[in-house]
Amino acid sequence: DAGVTQSPTHLIKTRGQQVTLRCSPKSGHDTVSWYQQALGQGPQFIFQYYEEEERQRGNFPDRFSGHQFPNYSSELNVNALLLGDSALYLCASSPVPQRGGELFFGEGSRLTVL
Amino acid sequence: AQTVTQSQPEMSVQEAETVTLSCTYDTSENNYYLFWYKQPPSRQMILVIRQEAYKQQNATENRFSVNFQKAAKSFSLKISDSQLGDTAMYFCAFLISGAGSYQLTFGKGTKLSVIP
Repeated sequence: DAGVTQSPTHLIKTRGQQVTLRCSPKSGHDTVSWYQQALGQGPQFIFQYYEEEERQRGNFPDRFSGHQFPNYSSELNVNALLLGDSALYLCASSPVPQRGGELFFGEGSRLTVL
Repeated sequence: AQTVTQSQPEMSVQEAETVTLSCTYDTSENNYYLFWYKQPPSRQMILVIRQEAYKQQNATENRFSVNFQKAAKSFSLKISDSQLGDTAMYFCAFLISGAGSYQLTFGKGTKLSVIP
């Protein structure tokens, strides 16, 4: 049973570029959350998708957008990249209902912005 | 807004010994969940233990147990019989129980090193 898979694992971009990160949730999970983990920090919630809609959003600018597909996989898009966007981006999935339940994390996508 | 504070950036423990990681949180909510997640060097974060705020009994999972003090807003993790595989970043996290809230709030983490 495959867990949460993310791609790419590493990527380097320059300021102003755009990036798309991908996530496939654990089998049987239909909810996907995205977190940004800057170096030396805890993960920060970006948003969560359920039934192909953004269900909740954290304190991130509109440059961060997402999408969920009918097969529950998800993409995170970041436009107009800034140096401060350099971080590990974590995808986490969970089944419904999630209330207080465990999140299953992928290994993350390490984004470096030069 | 909820905040989670982990005051110990780094800790170390001898193999087979016991170590306690601290976590405090701030919230005006009465119903919530608390978690400890472990992030080994391989980066994949995994759940260690969870606690529901309405339960007075402290959660335990094998060698891992918590000391949950609701009034003090404290949620520490005790690891007994430490093993080399326990070496990792440990994050304390908080989730409001109410409908419409799906955001986990994490602390900055504690880097634990288990010394042979």
